[in-house]
Amino acid sequence: GENVEQHPSTLSVQEGDSAVIKCTYSDSASNYFPWYKQELGKRPQLIIDIRSNVGEKKDQRIAVTLNKTAKHFSLHITETQPEDSAVYFCAAGNYGGSQGNLIFGKGTKLSVKP
Amino acid sequence: NAGVTQTPKFQVLKTGQSMTLQCAQDMNHEYMSWYRQDPGMGLRLIHYSVGAGITDQGEVPNGYNVSRSTTEDFPLRLLSAAPSQTSVYFCASSSSGWANYGYTFGSGTRLTVV
Repeated sequence: GENVEQHPSTLSVQEGDSAVIKCTYSDSASNYFPWYKQELGKRPQLIIDIRSNVGEKKDQRIAVTLNKTAKHFSLHITETQPEDSAVYFCAAGNYGGSQGNLIFGKGTKLSVKP
Repeated sequence: NAGVTQTPKFQVLKTGQSMTLQCAQDMNHEYMSWYRQDPGMGLRLIHYSVGAGITDQGEVPNGYNVSRSTTEDFPLRLLSAAPSQTSVYFCASSSSGWANYGYTFGSGTRLTVV
């Protein structure tokens, strides 16, 4: 089955700096790669996703890149703000194959210091 | 439109007791999944369903049963609770359309087994 590795497990940056979180996946059939943000005590919320037919996607200060050959994808947050502090999860799934089988990484705790 | 609704929000069980965690969605989503979240372990897939009458096992299915008799409901049953099942449980649902594929999570159920 799919296995998703996520690094780093913790990340501390100064406000205004950029943050990068990286994930690798094992199943070459995976074609859907979402990122979730989870604030303390809250549910995970989808912040951006990318499908295998594109290499990069941006939404304001966040962007995701995908390298299918190397089986890795990354989340980039620019101009970080204190409200970006949260746990971020990457995931991988095979839409069209085992639909619903979305596998998550173990998470990255991002701290943005004012 | 309530989204994904989970009940109860909190529950304490004694070892050996059984219970059902409820999950309902009003978005007419075909796909539904159950995850458990433990510190440092991310979100682990327990069971998932791609439609009414169809369920499948995820990464950690032992000790749990599911059924999907309607599109709206996807209950998770703990057969004989064990302390190792102390966790936060999240239900999630998604549309089956490729353009709209993306999981929405419920607010979670915090379960403690003593």
